[in-house]
Amino acid sequence: GEDVEQSLFLSVREGDSSVINCTYTDSSSTYLYWYKQEPGAGLQLLTYIFSNMDMKQDQRLTVLLNKKDKHLSLRIADTQTGDSAIYFCAESPAPVDTGRRALTFGSGTRLQVQP
Amino acid sequence: DSGVTQTPKHLITATGQRVTLRCSPRSGDLSVYWYQQSLDQGLQFLIQYYNGEERAKGNILERFSAQQFPDLHSELNLSSLELGDSALYFCASSVSLLSGGHNEQFFGPGTRLTVL
Repeated sequence: GEDVEQSLFLSVREGDSSVINCTYTDSSSTYLYWYKQEPGAGLQLLTYIFSNMDMKQDQRLTVLLNKKDKHLSLRIADTQTGDSAIYFCAESPAPVDTGRRALTFGSGTRLQVQP
Repeated sequence: DSGVTQTPKHLITATGQRVTLRCSPRSGDLSVYWYQQSLDQGLQFLIQYYNGEERAKGNILERFSAQQFPDLHSELNLSSLELGDSALYFCASSVSLLSGGHNEQFFGPGTRLTVL
């Protein structure tokens, strides 16, 4: 079945780069996502990558995908205290049956940014 | 603000009781998803509806049920509640394209359920 794994905690200093890693098992995953959850809030989509891409950059965010190793990473450049949150990696299957697009989430990585 | 609304924000009830959580999707979104976030199980998919019909089931208990109404809002019914049902319940909505395409899911703020 599908499984997505992440490390639980990462601590960085303000201004440094943060790298959050994720591994997944479902080779049929077509889209991989990064969501951010701030305390007491819902999930906010940060970025996503299609499985035929290796890299995607969006302002301070860089997503790297190694499809062979089923490894996904999120790099946040110039990390700020406002980036402190839980980051979830998620995968979505190929829509082989009409409309089934539920996400499988990792356990989340708590990012702590120290001033 | 994602455009997805959930009510109530907080719910405190006792074991054995039944509750109903409500979700209104973003305007134009046909798919509604329910997820449960708990400390021990993480964020798990429960069930998906598309335009009023059940489309996929995840780890949803038999004590739980859901439906999507003609106006596309959805309700998640939880019955015979147990202490372990205490969790944050999220609703998400998407356009849910049936063939390919990026399927962004927009999440509501969640309903925090506490079972005492």
